[in-house]
Amino acid sequence: DQQVKQNSPSLSVQEGRISILNCDYTNSMFDYFLWYKKYPAEGPTFLISISSIKDKNEDGRFTVFLNKSAKHLSLHIVPSQPGDSAVYFCAASASGGGNNRLAFGKGNQVVVIP
Amino acid sequence: GAVVSQHPSRVICKSGTSVKIECRSLDFQATTMFWYRQFPKKSLMLMATSNEGSKATYEQGVEKDKFLINHASLTLSTLTVTSAHPEDSSFYICSASQGAHSYEQYFGPGTRLTVT
Repeated sequence: DQQVKQNSPSLSVQEGRISILNCDYTNSMFDYFLWYKKYPAEGPTFLISISSIKDKNEDGRFTVFLNKSAKHLSLHIVPSQPGDSAVYFCAASASGGGNNRLAFGKGNQVVVIP
Repeated sequence: GAVVSQHPSRVICKSGTSVKIECRSLDFQATTMFWYRQFPKKSLMLMATSNEGSKATYEQGVEKDKFLINHASLTLSTLTVTSAHPEDSSFYICSASQGAHSYEQYFGPGTRLTVT
């Protein structure tokens, strides 16, 4: 049962434009959300996170928005750069679970066209 | 900071043999380490969670006798795939967390296992 869902598996965007990645979750116990970036044959790299007490977190070109009532979050990358071409994973955690295990979505492939 | 290494990066072994993969946190102490498996075009599948000095907690459907996990120190965890079969061929990734109150996991570069 996929608790974290990323639809639209691939996205192509022109350099300089905005990339928007969406993520939906089903478990209402999730209270911390993370985005990871992954290049082929490498491990994921932490990008940005957000706690459920916030609805927005911004770090440079990356902004994550959280809509708890809709159980939806999104990652905005602006402006997009060719180096942003990668697979982006949405992940979620429930603090009451102890070890802070992460549930991952299937990932979104982003291609930034120069 | 927060660098995690894995060794080897890729390994080819014959069916029936065992393979050990090491995961090390290089610049921090990892009280918790996680082992994942990734199939092509699929999400990261959590296999098990290990805390230093205690037995690993395996996810449902993961055979603990086949995937042996040891977390003997705060900087090292090992995954041993025993009696490997071709269907065990996959990309194995470890991650490390700095503590029970730390949500961020820092991932290793992964190990590509091919069983012939």
